[in-house]
This record gives sequence, C-alpha cells and structure tokens, in this order.
Amino acid sequence: ILNVEQSPQSLHVQEGDSTNFTCSFPSSNFYALHWYRWETAKSPEALFVMTLNGDEKKKGRISATLNTKEGYSYLYIKGSQPEDSATYLCAFRSSNTGKLIFGQGTTLQVKP
Amino acid sequence: GAVVSQHPSRVICKSGTSVKIECRSLDFQATTMFWYRQFPKQSLMLMATSNEGSKATYEQGVEKDKFLINHASLTLSTLTVTSAHPEDSSFYICSARRTDQETQYFGPGTRLLVL
Repeated sequence: ILNVEQSPQSLHVQEGDSTNFTCSFPSSNFYALHWYRWETAKSPEALFVMTLNGDEKKKGRISATLNTKEGYSYLYIKGSQPEDSATYLCAFRSSNTGKLIFGQGTTLQVKP
Repeated sequence: GAVVSQHPSRVICKSGTSVKIECRSLDFQATTMFWYRQFPKQSLMLMATSNEGSKATYEQGVEKDKFLINHASLTLSTLTVTSAHPEDSSFYICSARRTDQETQYFGPGTRLLVL
C-alpha cells in the first residue's frame, strides 16, 4: 500500500510569519510529486510538479524542495498572508502504477 | 491556464435515484480524466481513470455497475451514481490531464447527499 503522509494536519500562523510543512512518500518507484493549493469551494490549484531529486521550485512567496532518496518534500511560504489560507495537498505518482496518491493535506490558517 | 468545470456543485437526492455528475475541460483536450471521492477528514481517493473512447479502469473496491463512467469526448466525462444510497453521500471530484503534461487539473467538486 502506497502511503503519502503530510504534517502537520493543521497550522495557525500570524500574518507575516514564514512557515513550512512536510510531505512524506515512498522512496521507491518515484515518478513525480505534485503540490496543490485548495481553497474552500474552489478547484485545487496546481502549484508545482517536481520530478528530479534535489528539485527546488518557486512561485512568488511559495517554494518547494524534493528529496526522492529519502522520500520527502517541503513546502515553504515566506511572509504568510491571509490569502494563503487554504489546504495544501501533496500527491505522489509512482512509476509502476502511474496513479496519483494524495496525502490528507495541511490546512493553513493565516490570521491578520 | 487549464480550467475544469464540474456540475452540479451540490445535489440532494432520494435513496434509489440516480445522479449524473459532469466534468468538462473548458480550454484543453483531456485524453485522460480521473474521478476521486473524499470522505470527511480523509484524502482524495481515486475511484477510476477514464480515457476518451474506451472503458474506464476502476480501482479495487469500486463497483463499476454502481459508478458508471463515460468519457465520450475529449472534453467531457460523466459519473453516474446509480441507485444511490445514503452511504454514497460524499464529495466527488474530477480531474483532467493533457496527453503531453504531467499536471492534473481539477474541477471544484460535487457534494452529494442521499436522503
């Protein structure tokens, strides 16, 4: 059974704080790691697709790193804003099944 | 960007009726579409994968006669929950992928409540 774990489950920070959370996935048969931001009543928005060990990607104040050998990815948000409040999902695609396996998400609440 | 719509966003139905959910890729052709289900406080669980013009591939434990999937065109896939029962109440969400891309684009989901 392929398991994708995200931590923490939820996070409350003050506006301006920087924060990070973790996605753990199987270290074998890696194909890709996806990050999504999901705001209530909206579609999950694709943030990053990462495929290479050591990848670092950035989109504005949000960045992500990838370690496929040890099976983890970090998502960082610099200077959190209230509009960053959302659930952040990661999803792992294995090379042998081709399917996206999702974590349960980290729900971020940024207080003004 | 790539936009996927899903309709309806919410549906309430009586036990025993069938409900159809539509998933459309609005500005791209989706050779593959996926249907997920999410129970409260759980992750998105893949139900089935559908490729345009062919039969859907269902995940283990998902009844294909219960959840009928049709992917008749490159922009439309439908999920029909047949003879719905209260235990089918859940959040259903679709996604679509272009042939040449890794990214999956999601619809906003459908909340189904079966009374």
